[in-house]
Amino acid sequence: DGGITQSPKYLFRKEGQNVTLSCEQNLNHDAMYWYRQDPGQGLRLIYYSQIVNDFQKGDIAEGYSVSREKKESFPLTVTSAQKNPTAFYLCASSILQGYSPLHFGNGTRLTVT
Amino acid sequence: ILNVEQSPQSLHVQEGDSTNFTCSFPSSNFYALHWYRWETAKSPEALFVMTLNGDEKKKGRISATLNTKEGYSYLYIKGSQPEDSATYLCVSTSGTYKYIFGTGTRLKVLA
Repeated sequence: DGGITQSPKYLFRKEGQNVTLSCEQNLNHDAMYWYRQDPGQGLRLIYYSQIVNDFQKGDIAEGYSVSREKKESFPLTVTSAQKNPTAFYLCASSILQGYSPLHFGNGTRLTVT
Repeated sequence: ILNVEQSPQSLHVQEGDSTNFTCSFPSSNFYALHWYRWETAKSPEALFVMTLNGDEKKKGRISATLNTKEGYSYLYIKGSQPEDSATYLCVSTSGTYKYIFGTGTRLKVLA
């Protein structure tokens, strides 16, 4: 079955360390997205990519970096520059941006202490 | 309205009750309105995508309506069941990549 796989489900890191969250899809979707969820807030866009080797900053990109070397993969690195990295992170993909429904992974909960 | 607003934030209903939630979204530069169901420990699942004013969509006991002129959408659940317990997300899109999420309505159906 096609879908999006995020790993790991839970991640613990010490402050000051970079950490990379994995997102893989086998839906053949061109567009991929990273969202962050904090309590009481809607999902906020970190980065998105419309095509391989291209990506754009979302609303809260500071302290994060991404790459899109393959269509299937869109890893997110949370750097030590991200001031408040503890959150729930969701990866998503879609055929076309805007109109097409988003397909989501199960998320990664990152805790930084 | 600049953001997507959903109400109520949460509600509890008895099994068999019908219920509805509201989503308000920016009506200017409107492109599409999405509804998702997000069950605990699962990933959000798309229910409906609507684009035209007056659109009505139905999936089993769940239906949705869209008013793009005034910027609102309603989601209805008829005869709620415990398996309907979830967070229902409303998402508005304007233009290209911009999916704007509401904070969701958390529904708990009591058996």
